[in-house]
Amino acid sequence: GDSVTQTEGPVTLSEGTSLTVNCSYETKQYPTLFWYVQYPGEGPQLLFKVPKANEKGSNRGFEATYNKEATSFHLQKASVQESDSAVYYCALVPTNSAGNKLTFGIGTRVLVRP
Amino acid sequence: NAGVIQTPRHKVTGKGQEATLWCEPISGHSAVFWYRQTIVQGLEFLTYFRNQAPIDDSGMPKERFSAQMPNQSHSTLKIQSTQPQDSAVYLCASSLGGGGTEVFFGKGTRLTVV
Repeated sequence: GDSVTQTEGPVTLSEGTSLTVNCSYETKQYPTLFWYVQYPGEGPQLLFKVPKANEKGSNRGFEATYNKEATSFHLQKASVQESDSAVYYCALVPTNSAGNKLTFGIGTRVLVRP
Repeated sequence: NAGVIQTPRHKVTGKGQEATLWCEPISGHSAVFWYRQTIVQGLEFLTYFRNQAPIDDSGMPKERFSAQMPNQSHSTLKIQSTQPQDSAVYLCASSLGGGGTEVFFGKGTRLTVV
């Protein structure tokens, strides 16, 4: 079956420093890749998605490139803010699937200190 | 747009009692999902409806768990004879369709079995 592996948290860093959360995936199908973010008391919400290999997705200063050869989709941000403290989930769904069942990684808790 | 609405937000049940969780998907969305979230397992897929029909229940524990979608405006997840290991946040989500369209999550129901 499909699987997603991501950096184990928590990741603690100071405001203004850079963030990388690693994500690798396994699937026999061609996936669309996602990053979701979850704040306390909320459900996960979409940060961005990338449906095509070798393309980059971005939102709110976060970005990730769909690397099909390496089966990776690492999340990066150059300069984090305290408000970026949250849990980040990498996920995939087979693009041509009639369904939309997301397979998630375990989640990475990011704590940004002021 | 109120988003996906889940009720109750918190539920405490005694071991062996029944728990029913409710979900109202976003109007017009044809796909409805249930996920379970725990610290140890992260986000686990439970079941999926498309146009009210059950499509994939591969994540549902075969005993004690059942899900229904009697009409397009609500879905229920029922857990019979609840056990302490059922304690988790149960998330409902909906989307317009398949193939990588955005999935919107509710805020979840935190179930505690004492």
